[in-house]
Amino acid sequence: NAGVTQTPKFQVLKTGQSMTLQCAQDMNHEYMSWYRQDPGMGLRLIHYSVGAGITDQGEVPNGYNVSRSTTEDFPLRLLSAAPSQTSVYFCASSYTGPSSYNEQFFGPGTRLTVL
Amino acid sequence: GQQVMQIPQYQHVQEGEDFTTYCNSSTTLSNIQWYKQRPGGHPVFLIQLVKSGEVKKQKRLTFQFGEAKKNSSLHITATQTTDVGTYFCAEVVSGGYNKLIFGAGTRLAVHP
Repeated sequence: NAGVTQTPKFQVLKTGQSMTLQCAQDMNHEYMSWYRQDPGMGLRLIHYSVGAGITDQGEVPNGYNVSRSTTEDFPLRLLSAAPSQTSVYFCASSYTGPSSYNEQFFGPGTRLTVL
Repeated sequence: GQQVMQIPQYQHVQEGEDFTTYCNSSTTLSNIQWYKQRPGGHPVFLIQLVKSGEVKKQKRLTFQFGEAKKNSSLHITATQTTDVGTYFCAEVVSGGYNKLIFGAGTRLAVHP
């Protein structure tokens, strides 16, 4: 199994550009989520999904869109990039939601810089 | 914002010394997870604590969940250079769908 994969690894955008960060998992996990990591801030939840067709907002959803059309994929869209969105983005998945004994498996991350 | 507070933010130790990081909440936690992130890496799950007063051990790591389920700690005995990284606690927040909310983390540096 490849686990959780993310593309691209690095990306530089100009302010106002849009782009999609890709996330895929091959473990048949229902639960997927997106976090951003900034220095001193830990990991902050952006959006998450409990299954295909079901998504919900996390702590910092503004400026980001998600959809979940398949179990495997959970892309994160930046609508109009801003310098404040410069961060490292992690995708994670687990078999079911975190209420039961379920570790979150994280992808390797995408380092995004917005100029 | 974050509902769990982690202290300290940074800790520098000499190899062989012990290390403890604490995770505190003003509300009762349903359960708590701990993760480790090596420099330049991604978070990796260590353990989940569910029961009041629970204590779990993994080799030199000891995890505790407070009796009132409002705090948790991770203790490393006799640190090694391989312990370097950031340790995060994360709480499961209920309400609608459950979600995992992370603390800010404790960065551990180990000097040989």
